[in-house]
Amino acid sequence: KQEVTQIPAALSVPEGENLVLNCSFTDSAIYNLQWFRQDPGKGLTSLLLIQSSQREQTSGRLNASLDKSSGRSTLYIAASQPGDSATYLCAVTSVGTSYGKLTFGQGTILTVHP
Amino acid sequence: DTAVSQTPKYLVTQMGNDKSIKCEQNLGHDTMYWYKQDSKKFLKIMFSYNNKELIINETVPNRFSPKSPDKAHLNLHINSLELGDSAVYFCASSPFNLAAEAFFGQGTRLTVV
Repeated sequence: KQEVTQIPAALSVPEGENLVLNCSFTDSAIYNLQWFRQDPGKGLTSLLLIQSSQREQTSGRLNASLDKSSGRSTLYIAASQPGDSATYLCAVTSVGTSYGKLTFGQGTILTVHP
Repeated sequence: DTAVSQTPKYLVTQMGNDKSIKCEQNLGHDTMYWYKQDSKKFLKIMFSYNNKELIINETVPNRFSPKSPDKAHLNLHINSLELGDSAVYFCASSPFNLAAEAFFGQGTRLTVV
């Protein structure tokens, strides 16, 4: 059974810092890994999707890496801003599970203070 | 031009009532999902439909009945609501592709009193 863990559970940093959020998964047989952002009272916004054959994806100040063999992904946020404050979730689509099912971690609550 | 939209955004109701949450996507996707986010913010899949047919049912109580009138809509009906049903319910959609990106709605916060 796939399990996804995110560390740390919460992170508070001053504006301008570069930071790394971690995601680990127990079963390396995945199709892809997706990073989401959730703002309070709002839905999930997809940030980056990494296919199992890829090592990383970049979008603006965000860079996500994937090491499938070790079951790890990191989300790197450069030059953090207060507007980056949100909960960040990672999720995987595992081989052999019900079609399209995403297994989520519990998220990292990020606070960037001015 | 919201991609995945849910209504209502908030729903407060008494125990024992029956309620529905509607979801629509305009992305042309074949597959739609319902996820539940509990009080600890943990998201877990409930159902998945592909082109109006059920493909995932994650041991959800039969008080929950999804209905898909067409591939752009997936509604969630809940009978005999219980306190433990209080959560945020998210609808999502994706192409019918194992490695496809999923897109989520804004969520419906259900509170049962």
